[in-house]
Amino acid sequence: DARVTQTPRDKVTEMGQEVTMRCQPILGHNTVFWYRQTMMQGLELLAYFRNRAPLDDSGMPKDRFSAEMPDATLATLKIQPSEPRDSAVYFCASGLGVNTGELFFGEGSRLTVL
Amino acid sequence: AQSVTQLGSHVSVSEGALVLLRCNYSSSVPPYLFWYVQYPNQGLQLLLKYTSAATLVKGINGFEAEFKKSETSFHLTKPSAHMSDAAEYFCAAQTGGGADGLTFGKGTHLIIQP
Repeated sequence: DARVTQTPRDKVTEMGQEVTMRCQPILGHNTVFWYRQTMMQGLELLAYFRNRAPLDDSGMPKDRFSAEMPDATLATLKIQPSEPRDSAVYFCASGLGVNTGELFFGEGSRLTVL
Repeated sequence: AQSVTQLGSHVSVSEGALVLLRCNYSSSVPPYLFWYVQYPNQGLQLLLKYTSAATLVKGINGFEAEFKKSETSFHLTKPSAHMSDAAEYFCAAQTGGGADGLTFGKGTHLIIQP
């Protein structure tokens, strides 16, 4: 059963700490997206990759967020230092890229920054 | 920039009644359009998608949506609501030939009254 896997599912940390979220996209998918979901803003696109190359990270606060794909089976989203306003659910999604559109979402990583 | 508007953050219907969730997009070029559903503590899953073929699109769980270019709308309907339909529903649009990330509406929380 192919699915996007995200870890951790839940993370509670203190302000100033580094947080790393990981995503394993569906095997064979060549696009990977990071979204953030909050009550106030809804779903926001943070960054996305095609064939492991970053295409757009304009939605991401550059000073503290970074996204990478070390290999085709792993995408990471790092926050350093974390702040209370980063508290949200972070979703990873993968897809087959051009002309399909459909994205497959992981179950999300719920981050709480105290 | 592409935007998606969902009218009504909460919609309440009785079990067995018609479900209508509204979505309008802003684009001079009809984008790909999607409806996703999110159950509590889960990621989003695709209900249906429009990619410029038939204007009436059928999806899973008895849902369907009709693309109306003149109204820039893509409303989601289901003839008879079931308790299991209670969830958050997101309309999304994608331009750029399908290569870009999805732009999501704010979501509509569907409540089913017994």
